[in-house]
Amino acid sequence: SQQGEEDPQALSIQEGENATMNCSYKTSINNLQWYRQNSGRGLVHLILIRSNEREKHSGRLRVTLDTSKKSSSLLITASRAADTASYFCATDADGTASKLTFGTGTRLQVTL
Amino acid sequence: GAGVSQSPSNKVTEKGKDVELRCDPISGHTALYWYRQSLGQGLEFLIYFQGNSAPDKSGLPSDRFSAERTGGSVSTLTIQRTQQEDSAVYLCASSLLYRGYGYTFGSGTRLTVV
Repeated sequence: SQQGEEDPQALSIQEGENATMNCSYKTSINNLQWYRQNSGRGLVHLILIRSNEREKHSGRLRVTLDTSKKSSSLLITASRAADTASYFCATDADGTASKLTFGTGTRLQVTL
Repeated sequence: GAGVSQSPSNKVTEKGKDVELRCDPISGHTALYWYRQSLGQGLEFLIYFQGNSAPDKSGLPSDRFSAERTGGSVSTLTIQRTQQEDSAVYLCASSLLYRGYGYTFGSGTRLTVV
């Protein structure tokens, strides 16, 4: 079963605009991670936020985590056409053998 | 190597045949994971290896699926008597330690069962 559910399922924006994707999950976590996938192949790790952190930045990426609401958001600022990809959140559930459970993904399309 | 290597990149097989998929993780990464992804879907966990511990096989969908990791490095995922519903991209990932680190994924093996 999917631990994380991303919202929206698909997002289309113009280059230069900001893109926000949300992720909700069900159980307590140790950390939450975001990944990007191009062309349905290997995923690339973007950022990891631990359960005791509320916000994290990496370049044009900003991730927030609200453990009380069991939700996270990924903001991509000043988007570029190269940001076109699918974005997945993944959770490392607390108290279990460590394996990431991935959400269903948000398909981002950035147009010129 | 510099990244996680998977082979073959594509595999077409006839229904009922057995297939073996290979994963070479990053040297020094102790944890290795197999996932599969059906078209347009999220990732489905299959199996996880951590050092010398017993693997977590809780995601294997049936007893036709098995995996091993030899010498703490290379892993092979075997699917016996393939079915059409096994068609998917099979992704391998490794991480430095078992928790708290991001995964490095390979490019996957696209399996098509005809």
